[in-house]
Amino acid sequence: QVHLQESGPGLVKASENLSLTCTVSGGPISRHYWSWIRQPPGKGLEWIGNIYYNGRTDYKPSLQSRVTMSADTSKNQFSLKLTSVTAADTAVYYCARLQNSRYGPMDYWGQGAVVSVSS
Amino acid sequence: DIQMTQSPSSLSASVGDRVTITCRASQNISRYLQWYQQKPGKPPAVLIYATSILQPGVPSRFAGSGSGTDFTLTISSLQPEDFATYSCQQSYNIPPTFGQGTNVDMK
Repeated sequence: QVHLQESGPGLVKASENLSLTCTVSGGPISRHYWSWIRQPPGKGLEWIGNIYYNGRTDYKPSLQSRVTMSADTSKNQFSLKLTSVTAADTAVYYCARLQNSRYGPMDYWGQGAVVSVSS
Repeated sequence: DIQMTQSPSSLSASVGDRVTITCRASQNISRYLQWYQQKPGKPPAVLIYATSILQPGVPSRFAGSGSGTDFTLTISSLQPEDFATYSCQQSYNIPPTFGQGTNVDMK
């Protein structure tokens, strides 16, 4: 059974950087694409980006200038860095696995990391 | 980006009711459409992918249909555990985008 767990600070100051890590267990990260998705309080889901184990990435165009994703196969983890955060970046951040390709459904999700941006 | 519009935004229903939720894409997405169920404080869970394929373990009372721009999720007989928010998502191109969600609550 695949399990994903997000980790990182729950509070980030405005203008600073948000960093989260997703640790995957139950299978190697090298066989799938992986996503970061966020959900602001009371709102819908927003895709941030995808990463493949070899470092190939896709980012949401409106966030591209602030987003960096990376993968560490030795630790079976992948990470998200979002720079210069504002209150609009306050959200629950989820990591997820893409089932069979970068166009597939997201079939396994982490429980979510609550991130608040303070002024 | 492809915009996904769900209707209704919310609905009230009773156990045993047939429930239908629609999702419209702003352009043709073929059948690259998923449905997710989300309960409060929990991550989304995929119910249906590629418009009509049930994820393993999902009850057969859930069904999806459509193609192109118009899609439907149907719950044939609503059960107590089905009260939740349902979201559609297109994976036709990058960036994948989600509908705003439909909250199904108890009448």
